[in-house]
Amino acid sequence: AQKVTQAQTEISVVEKEDVTLDCVYETRDTTYYLFWYKQPPSGELVFLIRRNSFDEQNEISGRYSWNFQKSTSSFNFTITASQVVDSAVYFCALSEDEANTGFQKLVFGTGTRLLVSP
Amino acid sequence: DVKVTQSSRYLVKRTGEKVFLECVQDMDHENMFWYRQDPGLGLRLIYFSYDVKMKEKGDIPEGYSVSREKKERFSLILESASTNQTSMYLCASSFGLAGDTGELFFGEGSRLTVL
Repeated sequence: AQKVTQAQTEISVVEKEDVTLDCVYETRDTTYYLFWYKQPPSGELVFLIRRNSFDEQNEISGRYSWNFQKSTSSFNFTITASQVVDSAVYFCALSEDEANTGFQKLVFGTGTRLLVSP
Repeated sequence: DVKVTQSSRYLVKRTGEKVFLECVQDMDHENMFWYRQDPGLGLRLIYFSYDVKMKEKGDIPEGYSVSREKKERFSLILESASTNQTSMYLCASSFGLAGDTGELFFGEGSRLTVL
């Protein structure tokens, strides 16, 4: 079965530090999608990025970047020059094709809480 | 702005009460989901639905039921609330047709406390 591991339960940094959130996944599918979501204190999960299994190019969006490596089954997320507004819980997720039916279901990691202090 | 709306942000109920959590999406999505979020456990899937009147058990369905009478609405029901059901409940929807990546759109969550 699919599994997503976020080994870091909580990370504390000071503003302007760079921080990397780790995500390791397990799947037998050859086609799959990986996601990162952000959950600020307000509670709603906000979509950050989606990556398909055939695209290993790293992605950069402003201060955010993602490193996808199939060889190590990892999809790590780096925030450069962190800010207080980055404080949130971050979830990594993997899509699962339910019994090869084409129905996609997400499997989530347990999340990493990031605390950025001024 | 596309949206998933959960009817209540905060609820306090007593043990044994019947609890309804409502969720509505305006994106014409086929799939809808109910998750439960607890510290250290991440998001756990309770039930999901891929069509009107269809429902499937997720990973932790015990103590819950669901209803999907209309495409846009997915309700989570706690027939007899218990204290171990105190949690944050998150509703989500996804596209569900050919080409679906599984991307979920979430509501703001409903924090339920059972006394």
